[in-house]
This record gives sequence, C-alpha cells and structure tokens, in this order.
Amino acid sequence: QKEVEQDPGPLSVPEGAIVSLNCTYSNSAFQYFMWYRQYSRKGPELLMYTYSSGNKEDGRFTAQVDKSSKYISLFIRDSQPSDSATYLCAMRAMGSSNTGKLIFGQGTTLQVKP
Amino acid sequence: EAGVAQSPRYKIIEKRQSVAFWCNPISGHATLYWYQQILGQGPKLLIQFQNNGVVDDSQLPKDRFSAERLKGVDSTLKIQPAKLEDSAVYLCASSARRDFTSQFFGPGTRLTVL
Repeated sequence: QKEVEQDPGPLSVPEGAIVSLNCTYSNSAFQYFMWYRQYSRKGPELLMYTYSSGNKEDGRFTAQVDKSSKYISLFIRDSQPSDSATYLCAMRAMGSSNTGKLIFGQGTTLQVKP
Repeated sequence: EAGVAQSPRYKIIEKRQSVAFWCNPISGHATLYWYQQILGQGPKLLIQFQNNGVVDDSQLPKDRFSAERLKGVDSTLKIQPAKLEDSAVYLCASSARRDFTSQFFGPGTRLTVL
C-alpha cells in the first residue's frame, strides 16, 4: 500500500464549477500537508500548506485536513481554464528537524473546459 | 527573485551511457533537493543537501547515482551507467534553511534512456 493515495483522474469540469481534489494517507506521523500545482512540462508550484488538522483558505482555494480519517482535500471555487493542470498532494512527517522529505501522491489531472 | 535553474532541459541517451544534470537553487537557500518524477507518478526524493552536507540519501540508488554540492550552492546529479528505468524528469528544489515545507521547484530535466 502506498503511503499516499490520489486518484489520477482525469477530472473534467466546466468553467465556473467547484472542484474537489482528495488524497488519503496511511502514515499517522504526517503533520504537514501541501498541495502543489504542476503545469505540463513545468516543475511543481506550491499552492497551499496546512499544519495538522483544519481548514485554510486562499482566494478561490480551500485546503482541508481531517487527520482522524487520514483524508485531505483541496477545493477550487469558480474554476477557470487556467486551473487546468495536475494537482499533487504532498505530506511531511514530524521527525528529524533536518529532514524535508515530502511524500507525494501521484497527482490528479484536472481539465477545466471553457 | 530568480527561480531554481536547471540544465539541460532535455536529454536523450543510450542505456549504459552516463549523464549529468545541473541545478542552481534560489539565492540564499541552504537546502537543496533532487527528486525523480516518473511519468504518471508524483516526485520521489533522491537526495537532500543542507549547505554542502548530505541530510538524506536513503532513496538514492548509490550503485549508479551520485550527487554533489561542493560549495553549498550549485549541485550536480550524475547517473552512470543509465538504465531504461531511469527515464524520468529530474527535479531540483530548494528551500530556505529550516523552512522545509516551502520547497521551490525548478522546471526539471526530462531524461529519456533508449
């Protein structure tokens, strides 16, 4: 079993729709939860990160973490064609203070149609 | 602020040949990472440097992969000899000291091994 599971999609939605992207994980030591966006032939770009449980909002993006269910979500409101990309969840455990190792999901490909 | 620079962007080699990738992190970032991203998967950490010291190389195939960061700035990743399964995008990322959550990625080097 992979430490982080993410449905690869693809997910296709009309412009203006609310998008829900999700990841599940198995490692209880994960404390930092991140969402990256990756456009084709580009490197991943950090969108948001959350420490432990709870919600975080940034413009049209909302990240949620439910540690009891080992489940994280990213919601995109009023989706735009420019949001079309692969969305990667990533997680980091609390452990050695020097370790920045991120464990990534495989990514969900999103297409927003005009 | 300039981002993470990587070169070359693309490389095609025959199996058993050697190849090297170069990375220049964001100015002032003490931590540098090399990730391998196989098509359809999320990035996997190969090695993490803190200044010019190795912090984590647990997932680096040391029989064929090597990396160095001699002066604590630029880094090179080498594969010798390459195998077909090394075909992937090699991503370099950097973060400010102790801010392991905010990792900034370069555009990557796409390697094809024939």
